[in-house]
Amino acid sequence: QKEVEQDPGPLSVPEGAIVSLNCTYSNSAFQYFMWYRQYSRKGPELLMYTYSSGNKEDGRFTAQVDKSSKYISLFIRDSQPSDSATYLCAMGMDSNYQLIWGAGTKLIIKP
Amino acid sequence: DVKVTQSSRYLVKRTGEKVFLECVQDMDHENMFWYRQDPGLGLRLIYFSYDVKMKEKGDIPEGYSVSREKKERFSLILESASTNQTSMYLCASSLAEVGYGYTFGSGTRLTVV
Repeated sequence: QKEVEQDPGPLSVPEGAIVSLNCTYSNSAFQYFMWYRQYSRKGPELLMYTYSSGNKEDGRFTAQVDKSSKYISLFIRDSQPSDSATYLCAMGMDSNYQLIWGAGTKLIIKP
Repeated sequence: DVKVTQSSRYLVKRTGEKVFLECVQDMDHENMFWYRQDPGLGLRLIYFSYDVKMKEKGDIPEGYSVSREKKERFSLILESASTNQTSMYLCASSLAEVGYGYTFGSGTRLTVV
């Protein structure tokens, strides 16, 4: 079993829909939870960052962490065609400079 | 604006060639990483370095080596390129603390023929 599980998709939704992307993990020591967005033929870029549990909101994006269930989510409201990309979750812990990555979910927003 | 620059966007090399992929960061980051990314397999760590002249093997180091002679530069070397090394190669850098996340380059699409 991988440390971080993420459905690769693709996930196809109509423009304006609310999108929910998820990852599950097995290592309870993870404290840093991140979402990266990767456009085609580009490198990933940091989108959202959360430390420990709770929610974080930035514009149309909300990141949630549920440590009791070992489950993290990224919500995108009022989705736009420009949100079409691959979204990767990543997790890390103190005293370790490596992030552990999900496989990435390909998201397609249809106009 | 912080940057990680990879020297080539696209490369085509022949089987058996020695291939150098260069990565430079301008953020004074301690850590640097080389990943390859393949459809369905996600990001796989090849090597990383947490300091100048220091290197650690990642999950798939076979067939690769690295060099970090200066803090800002991390090179990936394919000693004898093979067709199964055709992939997207991504370089990343980070501060010592993982909580700040990584900054990635734009990637090098390597095709070995």
